[in-house]
Amino acid sequence: TAGITQAPTSQILAAGRSMTLRCTQDMRHNAMYWYRQDLGLGLRLIHYSNTAGTTGKGEVPDGYSVSRANTDDFPLTLASAVPSQTSVYFCASKGGLNTDTQYFGPGTRLTVL
Amino acid sequence: AQKVTQAQTEISVVEKEDVTLDCVYETRDTTYYLFWYKQPPSGELVFLIRRNSFDEQNEISGRYSWNFQKSTSSFNFTITASQVVDSAVYFCALSWGWYNQGGKLIFGQGTELSVKP
Repeated sequence: TAGITQAPTSQILAAGRSMTLRCTQDMRHNAMYWYRQDLGLGLRLIHYSNTAGTTGKGEVPDGYSVSRANTDDFPLTLASAVPSQTSVYFCASKGGLNTDTQYFGPGTRLTVL
Repeated sequence: AQKVTQAQTEISVVEKEDVTLDCVYETRDTTYYLFWYKQPPSGELVFLIRRNSFDEQNEISGRYSWNFQKSTSSFNFTITASQVVDSAVYFCALSWGWYNQGGKLIFGQGTELSVKP
């Protein structure tokens, strides 16, 4: 079972360039999430989507955008990367109820120089 | 506002010792959910347990046990007879509210557990 896949696994990006991190789930989960993980700060929510066609802002949304055209995919775009966006990015998904558990993808390590 | 605090940044134990990871949460919601995730050195996040606010029963799963106490807003995690494979960063997390309110997770800062042979 694939679960959640993320691409790329890692990336080095020049500041000012744009990039899209991809996330795909095969569990038909309604809700999807993007988090960033930074040392000493745990995981912080960037954006989320309760269902296809809707998105919402999390704790740290600035500099990021998302779309949810269908149930399976939830790409995260950095329009103009800055070094402070160097982080490990995790995508997660869960069913439609808050009683459900979020399951995470393997992560994307992004370095912005 | 919701908050999760894991006061222990790093813990180091010798194999076979018992170790408890602390988690204190804050929320005004009466319906909420608590989670523990494990992040081994390979980097993935592994779900360990979920508890809802109406269920204060403690849980035991093999060498792992969880103590949920609403009176102290704590959801502590104990590993009995620790093993080297338990070495990881452990995150406590909180979700709240009913359906269609995002189901967002708030994470603690994480506790890095090192189990030495």
